[in-house]
Order: sequence, then C-alpha cells, then structure tokens
Amino acid sequence: DAKTTQPTSMDCAEGRAANLPCNHSTISGNEYVYWYRQIHSQGPQYIIHGLKNNETNEMASLIITEDRKSSTLILPHATLRDTAVYYCIVISGSSGDKLTFGTGTRLAVRP
Amino acid sequence: GAVVSQHPSWVICKSGTSVKIECRSLDFQATTMFWYRQFPKQSLMLMATSNEGSKATYEQGVEKDKFLINHASLTLSTLTVTSAHPEDSSFYICSARSPGLTTGELFFGEGSRLTVL
Repeated sequence: DAKTTQPTSMDCAEGRAANLPCNHSTISGNEYVYWYRQIHSQGPQYIIHGLKNNETNEMASLIITEDRKSSTLILPHATLRDTAVYYCIVISGSSGDKLTFGTGTRLAVRP
Repeated sequence: GAVVSQHPSWVICKSGTSVKIECRSLDFQATTMFWYRQFPKQSLMLMATSNEGSKATYEQGVEKDKFLINHASLTLSTLTVTSAHPEDSSFYICSARSPGLTTGELFFGEGSRLTVL
C-alpha cells in the first residue's frame, strides 16, 4: 500500500474550517484514500473515503487532487469535540480490511 | 452507538498472570476481526487477524503463543495475553467490518487498557 505523509500537528479555531492535508504521491490506480480519527483513549472512527472524486458526508468532505497524489480532509465547522488524531490511510483491494496506521495529524481545536 | 464493543475497558494485573480481552460485534456477524496494540503517544499497530473457525494470522514479530486469539463465534473474538509482563502494558483495540459496508470501512471497539504491575 502507498505510504502517506501528514503534518504532525495542526490547530484551528472553533467554528472555522479545519483542512487536514495528506500526501500519497505513490498511490496507484486501484488504491483508495481513507480517513479515520482517534479521540484520546478511544478506538478509531471512520470518517470518509474516496478514489478520485471529491466526497462529502455528514462528518466531512474529502478533496482529492486530479493526479491523486494528495488529498485534504475538510471539517467545515470544527468543534472542540473534533480534537483528535486524524489518520490518512491508503488501501488497496489486496490489503482488504487490514489498516496500516501512520502517525497521523494531531488536530487541536481551540475555543 | 458502538457496534463493536470490548470488555474490559481497563484491567490491571500482576506480572505473570494471563488476561483475556473480549471483542464483540453487537449487531452484525463478523467472520474476521482485527486486533491492534497502541503504546502511549504512538500509532496503532496491527497484531493479528482473527478468523472465525480457524487459526488467527499474526503479523511479523507478534508472538502467537503469547497473544492467544480465539474466534469461536461470528460475534466474539478474544485476545488472551499470557504470562503478562510490564512491557505488555498497552491499549488493545479490535475492529470489524459490518457486511454491506465497503472494504476498509471498519468499526473499532472502545479499546482495552492493560496495565501489568
């Protein structure tokens, strides 16, 4: 599976949009981009995933560049409860449900 | 609410004893579950894949005789840490995918924090 690179930490103000970048320059055509987050002392939570089109759900939006080498997770109106570590994971069909977590981005939402 | 549940949430044991952690899928059947371990301030590391009715598949470097996995039913997988030592103290987390969801879209348990004295 393609390796991902994320900033170690970020912060944003409550109510503002949080834009979390992820670089996956070695991604191949059949690999998907998944985002999970882990609130302190809890198990990870699925957020969203995509292949090449932008995706939106009730939690977030996922913007994938046309060359698919990077993506951005957008939390449109961050709240204090969004403070967590966000993981960008690239998954291929061969890896199935075996997720490989990198170091992620620690997002701090400030009041 | 959580669809994958772990028990216990936390456990403290003496060195040399064994500890069993349960992972249940509450409203779906899971032929496969995954066990992860997370040390403080580190990321999750996959330990093994639990397969219902067959042996678990362990990741490289994980001792299968120390971390016994049993997946006897479609809704329950157990991880037993045998002869636990302080270095086994960690946050253990399981995951499973509900049928109908896409590959990679998993539910995770709340985690079980093990402290070995």
